Amino acid sequence: AQKITQTQPGMFVQEKEAVTLDCTYDTSDPSYGLFWYKQPSSGEMIFLIYQGSYDQQNATEGRYSLNFQKARKSANLVISASQLGDSAMYFCAMRELAQGGSEKLVFGKGTKLTVNP
Amino acid sequence: NAGVTQTPKFQVLKTGQSMTLQCAQDMNHNSMYWYRQDPGMGLRLIYYSASEGTTDKGEVPNGYNVSRLNKREFSLRLESAAPSQTSVYFCASRKQGALARHTQYFGPGTRLTVL
Repeated sequence: AQKITQTQPGMFVQEKEAVTLDCTYDTSDPSYGLFWYKQPSSGEMIFLIYQGSYDQQNATEGRYSLNFQKARKSANLVISASQLGDSAMYFCAMRELAQGGSEKLVFGKGTKLTVNP
Repeated sequence: NAGVTQTPKFQVLKTGQSMTLQCAQDMNHNSMYWYRQDPGMGLRLIYYSASEGTTDKGEVPNGYNVSRLNKREFSLRLESAAPSQTSVYFCASRKQGALARHTQYFGPGTRLTVL
């Protein structure tokens, strides 16, 4: 079973509008965290935002906010006031405990966002 | 401060050839990771190293070996390349510890084609 599900292969939004990218996750671990990364056409992976399972408030980083609904196991990314430069692939990921006290990330398949002028 | 660097950026191999992908980080991070990204897929973990001197298998380790040379460097080796290993390879690192953020920082990637 997939641990991270992104159901929107592609999304379109008009410049200056807000857009929500969906992410649902599956874990039985009470301590976990959710990330969103951006991958522009140039290929690099850019960290956007992080939400820990025990965080009381939804995470925000500038125009990015994470709509965390723990009971629903969803961690949707909201981008406000979209810009042309926001056109990219967006990946949701969840951290899991790993050997040696480390952590590893499990990624969803991504959503391709296109911002139209 | 270069962050995470990877060499080479591009590589073309013939089936059966071997090569090593190099990764280095200058952020004094404890943990390092190798991922692969295939079209239409997210990143999948190949191997990771929680700290210097330790390595562990991830989700897709078959056909790969790794070496944590020191705290800075983590290499990925393909002993006998196969077309199924055509992919983009990302190295990442993370600072480990109770007060450390959980964020992994990624290198620019290596685009590998196996003919």
